[in-house]
Amino acid sequence: QVQLVQSGAEVKKPGASVKVSCKASGYTFTDYYMHWVRQAPGQGLEWMGIINPSVLATTYAQKFQGRVSMTRDTSTSTVYMELSSLRSEDTAVYYCARVGGVAAPLAFDIWGQGTMVTVFS
Amino acid sequence: QSALTQPPSASGSPGQSVTISCTGTSSDVGGYNFVSWYQQHPGKAPKLMIYEVTKRPSGVPHRFSGSKSGNTASLTVSGLQAEDEADYYCSSYAGSDNYVFGTGTKVTVL
Repeated sequence: QVQLVQSGAEVKKPGASVKVSCKASGYTFTDYYMHWVRQAPGQGLEWMGIINPSVLATTYAQKFQGRVSMTRDTSTSTVYMELSSLRSEDTAVYYCARVGGVAAPLAFDIWGQGTMVTVFS
Repeated sequence: QSALTQPPSASGSPGQSVTISCTGTSSDVGGYNFVSWYQQHPGKAPKLMIYEVTKRPSGVPHRFSGSKSGNTASLTVSGLQAEDEADYYCSSYAGSDNYVFGTGTKVTVL
């Protein structure tokens, strides 16, 4: 079945970087864009950016530009999100989410299980 | 890009209807018919409930419906059931591969 499986929880110190992975299965990896969305504890969803795995094109939310990098490995059908210069406000659950293509245009139809990133000194 | 505005909470008794609004601008909700809605239970990943303003993915009950007028989209849950108690988020395409989410609404089934 179609699924996205993310890497495990991370604990980082302020100023460090974190890299979260999202492995896709059950569909053709390069046919669908992938997004990253985060959710701070008790807060709402926040869109971070998008990667086109086919051509490695990316678009980042203005808030994260300069601090975020989204990459992919087509050989393992995995996308990565790296966030640098971490601060306490980056403590959140980070989700990867697939955009549904022709079945659900510009909507996030499949989500990963989420990765908790905790930033504290 | 500012978050879309949703009411913090909404409630209804079992069998009743509840409608959640999602207000944006002409650059997002008003400019595109790519509004989607997500249901999130505590500790779980969001689930797609509505896409392209009014369409339901396979498996989503017919009592979930969506609409849009101008810069405001709405999600209506008819015939409320206990399992509908959750947080709901709208999202809209905002052009140039950018997206924005709503502030979220907690729905309580009384």
